[in-house]
Amino acid sequence: AQTVTQSQPEMSVQEAETVTLSCTYDTSESDYYLFWYKQPPSRQMILVIRQEAYKQQNATENRFSVNFQKAAKSFSLKISDSQLGDAAMYFCAYRSAREENSGNTPLVFGKGTRLSVIA
Amino acid sequence: GAGVSQSPRYKVAKRGQDVALRCDPISGHVSLFWYQQALGQGPEFLTYFQNEAQLDKSGLPSDRFFAERPEGSVSTLKIQRTQQEDSAVYLCASSSRHKSNTGELFFGEGSRLTVL
Repeated sequence: AQTVTQSQPEMSVQEAETVTLSCTYDTSESDYYLFWYKQPPSRQMILVIRQEAYKQQNATENRFSVNFQKAAKSFSLKISDSQLGDAAMYFCAYRSAREENSGNTPLVFGKGTRLSVIA
Repeated sequence: GAGVSQSPRYKVAKRGQDVALRCDPISGHVSLFWYQQALGQGPEFLTYFQNEAQLDKSGLPSDRFFAERPEGSVSTLKIQRTQQEDSAVYLCASSSRHKSNTGELFFGEGSRLTVL
């Protein structure tokens, strides 16, 4: 079974600075997807960024970028120019690329990192 | 609809009561997932459906938990004889079947269950 580990329960960053959230995962599969989701106090999970395992290039979305190290099974999230609105729980998640009945398999989540942004 | 809709948003139940939580996925989404999220924890997988077929229910904590999606659209998660340890936020998510997508899940706002 796949597992996702986030070793930082809490992180803080000064506004406008950069912070990196860590994530490692364990799988025997070669084809999969990785995600970072943000969960603000309103509880709704919002996709921040995704990475296909077969792509060597690291994904970027505006101020968010990842450092994907497939051999090390590491998938960290870097937030640049941090803003007060970035404060939330961040979850790393894994999904197998295989399909079941022409549909998608479930996401496996880490336990999350609570990010605080200091003004 | 525009997004995944869950109801009720908040539910308080007395221990031993039965509860039913509803999820209305994004129109046309084949896959529907239920997760349980305890306070301060990550979501834990409960069960999922492709259309009306329940493909995996290995995450359901006990036989008091039951989920259905009879017409392949709206889903209901039922918890019988609720216990205090059932207190959590129950998240529903859906995704489309298009092979070009990476399986992004779209989440509802969750139903917070408190069992007294």
